[in-house]
Amino acid sequence: AQKVTQAQTEISVVEKEDVTLDCVYETRDTTYYLFWYKQPPSGELVFLIRRNSFDEQNEISGRYSWNFQKSTSSFNFTITASQVVDSAVYFCALSDSNQGGKLIFGQGTELSVKP
Amino acid sequence: GAVVSQHPSWVICKSGTSVKIECRSLDFQATTMFWYRQFPKQSLMLMATSNEGSKATYEQGVEKDKFLINHASLTLSTLTVTSAHPEDSSFYICSARDVQGSLYEQYFGPGTRLTVT
Repeated sequence: AQKVTQAQTEISVVEKEDVTLDCVYETRDTTYYLFWYKQPPSGELVFLIRRNSFDEQNEISGRYSWNFQKSTSSFNFTITASQVVDSAVYFCALSDSNQGGKLIFGQGTELSVKP
Repeated sequence: GAVVSQHPSWVICKSGTSVKIECRSLDFQATTMFWYRQFPKQSLMLMATSNEGSKATYEQGVEKDKFLINHASLTLSTLTVTSAHPEDSSFYICSARDVQGSLYEQYFGPGTRLTVT
């Protein structure tokens, strides 16, 4: 069965600290995609990244970076030098061919960045 | 590009009434749209997959007679919550898949906050 686990329910950091949000997934499929979304208080989902199962290269986008490790079924997200505007709920999600493109979301991690 | 709108953005209705929520793809055609529900402090749960011109596919535990989905065109899907009750109060989010895009790519609408009193 497909499953996404975000063990950290809430994280609180002080501005400028680095923070890593963990994501562990389960799937039997060899072809799948992993996603990260940000949900600010407004509720609208903001797409951050999509990564397919054949591309284990880590990615960096500004202060954001992602570490994909198939060996541990993890797709962790790091924010460097966090800012107050990073405060939001972050969701990791999985989609595989067995699901026909449907997204399975993790429970979400609420990040609070304090000034 | 790839903009999805939802209308209304929020709605308050009385218990027992029905509410219709629209999901539109503004600059692309979507043969498939998804409807999610999110309760406070919880994750998004897929309710149903809406396919243009055919019946929606509902996830286990979702009452198809209560949550009516119509996908009458390539740019519009509607979700009607019939005989709404306070427990239906939630944040409803739709997403759409571009007919020319990847199976794995969805564009999300801004959500509709439903409060049933």
